[in-house]
Parts: sequence; structure tokens; C-alpha cells
Amino acid sequence: GAGVSQSPRYKVAKRGQDVALRCDPISGHVSLFWYQQALGQGPEFLTYFQNEAQLDKSGLPSDRFFAERPEGSVSTLKIQRTQQEDSAVYLCASSRGTGEYYGYTFGSGTRLTVV
Amino acid sequence: RKEVEQDPGPFNVPEGATVAFNCTYSNSASQSFFWYRQDCRKEPKLLMSVYSSGNEDGRFTAQLNRASQYISLLIRDSKLSDSATYLCVVNPWKGNDMRFGAGTRLTVKP
Repeated sequence: GAGVSQSPRYKVAKRGQDVALRCDPISGHVSLFWYQQALGQGPEFLTYFQNEAQLDKSGLPSDRFFAERPEGSVSTLKIQRTQQEDSAVYLCASSRGTGEYYGYTFGSGTRLTVV
Repeated sequence: RKEVEQDPGPFNVPEGATVAFNCTYSNSASQSFFWYRQDCRKEPKLLMSVYSSGNEDGRFTAQLNRASQYISLLIRDSKLSDSATYLCVVNPWKGNDMRFGAGTRLTVKP
């Protein structure tokens, strides 16, 4: 596609509910990243994929967070048993290469509110 | 200490002013550097890369000082449309993720 597509755009979840956030990167982009952005803060790194391989998941805040990219294109970020502190915008970004030379293209994000 | 630190501002400047933002990073092995712009409730967008020799793009000038581990962004002749949050971004090492500062908020007033 022309850009990075994320869905849903907004999600309201009751505390304890599981959610799944989808990212559809730019076609052919090798690298895919998930970030969490709380209000008034910069994006915080969650996890990184190169093709289908999850090379870095050091930013995932707990074992309730899980991400996958099984075929090296679409990625899903799953949050189990959501808590209020999970409320944030979840940004997905993709890059043609390693990002070092090309920078990232971000999706519009999913705004998650846990009530 | 955060990996990337920025003055959060806000910076409120009149149209036509020159404004400068600084950013420091903690990892001396960092490889590449960027400034991103983020409008309210929008995603970050790449503004410019930052090269060791310094680089300019129209009214915007970026500088990198590796010895002091800081990056700067200078905006000349500010426009109302420059109002946004400016994010300093550092790639800690090759082929990996980027780390973002918390952002500096700029408001340009008529």
C-alpha cells in the first residue's frame, strides 16, 4: 500500500479484556517496529521485526504484551488482560531497510483507552 | 537517565523568529540521528536526517556534535505552520530500532 495502515484507529477496552492491534506496513518494507506513546511523551520502543523474525522485544513492558509477524508483512500486537496503564497510542512504523538511512514511515496509530 | 533527552519547552515565538532546540544522547556508539515532527494527534514524520558535517534544508539546519553527544535543530524565519512537537531521534546501533526523545513543543504566534 501507499502508507502504513493501522487498525482499529480507536479502541476502548474494559480492564481485563484482551485486544489485538493490526499493522499493515508499506509493501516490501523489511523492518517493522512497534512503539507506545503515552500522552505528552515521545514514542517508546516496544519491539522490532526484520521480515518475520522478531529481533528485539526488549521494550515489551510485560508478558501480557505479545507481537507477531508470521509472514513478514502484516503484524499484530496483542495485549492480554489490559490494564489502565496500557492506555496510550500504539504506533507502528516500517522501513525499507534498517532505518539507518531511510528513517521510518509511521502509521496513524491505534489509540487504546482502557476503562 | 533517559537515552535521549530534550528540553520539553514549550517554546512560544513570534512569526519570523529564529528558534533552536537541543538534544543530548547517552550512547556514544549511536550511529544515526534524525529530527521528526509530530503534529497534535498525528503520527511522527521525518523532518530531516542529521549528518556529522551538519546539513540544511531550507529554513531548517541540523547539527551533530559527537564529542559532546548532542544534536541541534535551528529553525529560521518561523512560520505559523511550524507549530508542532519536534522529536529528537537516535539510532543506537546499526540495523536496530530508534530511540525517541520526549519532544520539544513549539508554538509560533502571529
